[in-house]
Amino acid sequence: SSELTQDPAVSVALGQTVRITCQGDSLRSYYASWYQQKPRQAPVLVIYGKDNRPSGIPDRFSGSSSGNTASLTITGAQADDEADYYCNSRDTTDNPSSVFGGGTKLTVL
Amino acid sequence: EVQLVESGGDLIQPGGSLRLSCAASGFTVSSTYMSWVRQAPGKGLEWVSVISGGGSTYYADSVKGRFTISRDNSKNTLYLQVNSLRAEDTAVYYCTRWKGGYDSRFDYWGQGTLVTVSS
Repeated sequence: SSELTQDPAVSVALGQTVRITCQGDSLRSYYASWYQQKPRQAPVLVIYGKDNRPSGIPDRFSGSSSGNTASLTITGAQADDEADYYCNSRDTTDNPSSVFGGGTKLTVL
Repeated sequence: EVQLVESGGDLIQPGGSLRLSCAASGFTVSSTYMSWVRQAPGKGLEWVSVISGGGSTYYADSVKGRFTISRDNSKNTLYLQVNSLRAEDTAVYYCTRWKGGYDSRFDYWGQGTLVTVSS
């Protein structure tokens, strides 16, 4: 099975822009989806596909992809954005198995 | 409104078994992919299993042969039978709805149910 690699921790100053990246071979074939998880809560889908936000997700969240790297960008980070972020994609074996990145802890300073 | 409500988590001894349940509302589980994702304490998310609308099932290598995903269409409920439990299976187990395709995503999550494997 494939793997997705994320930086363990990233920090951003309040109101600034931050990019969280995810690398893996499966991203050459499939889009990443991104999940926000706050302590003691279930994950929440924030970005999927080319750059799609589910209803209720602020437009400061955006996604992009190039080669084997997917990125989640938060433009104008808010204190409420401090959380763990996980990327996910289908595996490369062309069945509905799936793989998650190890997660990135975002700190808003 | 879509809702997923898990139950069945417990403290169980190594080698034991449990059946986790996920009651769905707002959509029909048999019409889509449904999946289980787990998270060990202080660790990241791990994909566990998926069942297609047609009933095909797939598993992570770490649980293959020990876990079984199924559903009861009449109850609109997803299940995960977990057997031969090990300490490393200790985790919160989330029930999710999975949308497939090139832009796949887990668009709805339950609140999770905790399985603790310990003697």
